[in-house]
Amino acid sequence: DGGITQSPKYLFRKEGQNVTLSCEQNLNHDAMYWYRQDPGQGLRLIYYSQIVNDFQKGDIAEGYSVSREKKESFPLTVTSAQKNPTAFYLCASSIPGSQETQYFGPGTRLLVL
Amino acid sequence: AQTVTQSQPEMSVQEAETVTLSCTYDTSENNYYLFWYKQPPSRQMILVIRQEAYKQQNATENRFSVNFQKAAKSFSLKISDSQLGDTAMYFCAFTNTGNQFYFGTGTSLTVIP
Repeated sequence: DGGITQSPKYLFRKEGQNVTLSCEQNLNHDAMYWYRQDPGQGLRLIYYSQIVNDFQKGDIAEGYSVSREKKESFPLTVTSAQKNPTAFYLCASSIPGSQETQYFGPGTRLLVL
Repeated sequence: AQTVTQSQPEMSVQEAETVTLSCTYDTSENNYYLFWYKQPPSRQMILVIRQEAYKQQNATENRFSVNFQKAAKSFSLKISDSQLGDTAMYFCAFTNTGNQFYFGTGTSLTVIP
């Protein structure tokens, strides 16, 4: 079954702690994306990557970091510098130049203790 | 700058009736793509329908169709024969390069039995 998986489904962060959200895809898509979703604000782009070992900041990258060491994986780290991390995080992937459609994972809900 | 506006935060429709969700966008590009995504209570983002700007014909997918007015920069979604499973948040989205997607703030649709 091809698709995008995100783990964990729920994640709790303590003050000053870094946490990492996992995103894996077996769709052979080149591009991957991380979005943050807050109530009433739609989706906002955090980071995206068009190719392995390369990524770009989105609109709200401050307090977040990513890596893209493998085509299938695009983990997101929420650092202690992100002062308001409570949100729903969505990972997506696509094939640039091919219908330009993004496919999404099931999401991770991050809560601060 | 690209922006996507959904001016209807909430809507409701009787089961089996038809409803139209509005979306406007702003861009200086000539070639781009528009999407409607559905987010049910499970929060999984699901692609409903896609429209390529260079195609004049409006896209249709079973009970879902769009009214694409390129000059007016309008992209509305019509849902016919509404079903209880259509209850969800609906997001309009835009991309011109596939590098960045821009999402509206969403319309919460409730189908009333």
